[in-house]
Amino acid sequence: ILNVEQSPQSLHVQEGDSTNFTCSFPSSNFYALHWYRWETAKSPEALFVMTLNGDEKKKGRISATLNTKEGYSYLYIKGSQPEDSATYLCASVMDSSYKLIFGSGTRLLVRP
Amino acid sequence: DGGITQSPKYLFRKEGQNVTLSCEQNLNHDAMYWYRQDPGQGLRLIYYSQIVNDFQKGDIAEGYSVSREKKESFPLTVTSAQKNPTAFYLCASSIGGTFGETQYFGPGTRLLVL
Repeated sequence: ILNVEQSPQSLHVQEGDSTNFTCSFPSSNFYALHWYRWETAKSPEALFVMTLNGDEKKKGRISATLNTKEGYSYLYIKGSQPEDSATYLCASVMDSSYKLIFGSGTRLLVRP
Repeated sequence: DGGITQSPKYLFRKEGQNVTLSCEQNLNHDAMYWYRQDPGQGLRLIYYSQIVNDFQKGDIAEGYSVSREKKESFPLTVTSAQKNPTAFYLCASSIGGTFGETQYFGPGTRLLVL
């Protein structure tokens, strides 16, 4: 089974701070990398899917980068707001597979 | 409203009892998935189905069973053989046919053992 690691496990920031966290995954047989956002009492929501080395995706104040050669992805949040508080999950996909292998998530709390 | 519904929100199981978790989607997706979440761990795949009347075991299928008789429904049965069933269960679906495509999740069911 693949090992997808996320760091830090949790993060507390002040409103307005920018923040970033990391997802590490095995680089061999890489196919795709997903980011999901999971707010408490809601369903996980897809943020990004990235497949190519050097990919960068952006959605409002949230962006993500991908390095498939070294096996990591960064998620950045610019000017964090309390509504950004959630658990951010990444998931890796090996080629020829329908399966997503999830990390344990980074829990972000943004204080007003 | 298109989406995925799971019921019940909370489910209690007695020792030796089988229980079934419901998952329904009206997104017209071909593929459906069941995941389990335990504290401090990532979502782990129990079973998945790419098409009606077909399903495959995921990484932790022991003690679970599924059926896929209709496109929109993918119920999960937690059998008495599952010795540690207390967990949060998430159902997901995807359009189908593409490796690693985006999955859309339901709100989850929390299963507790009495």
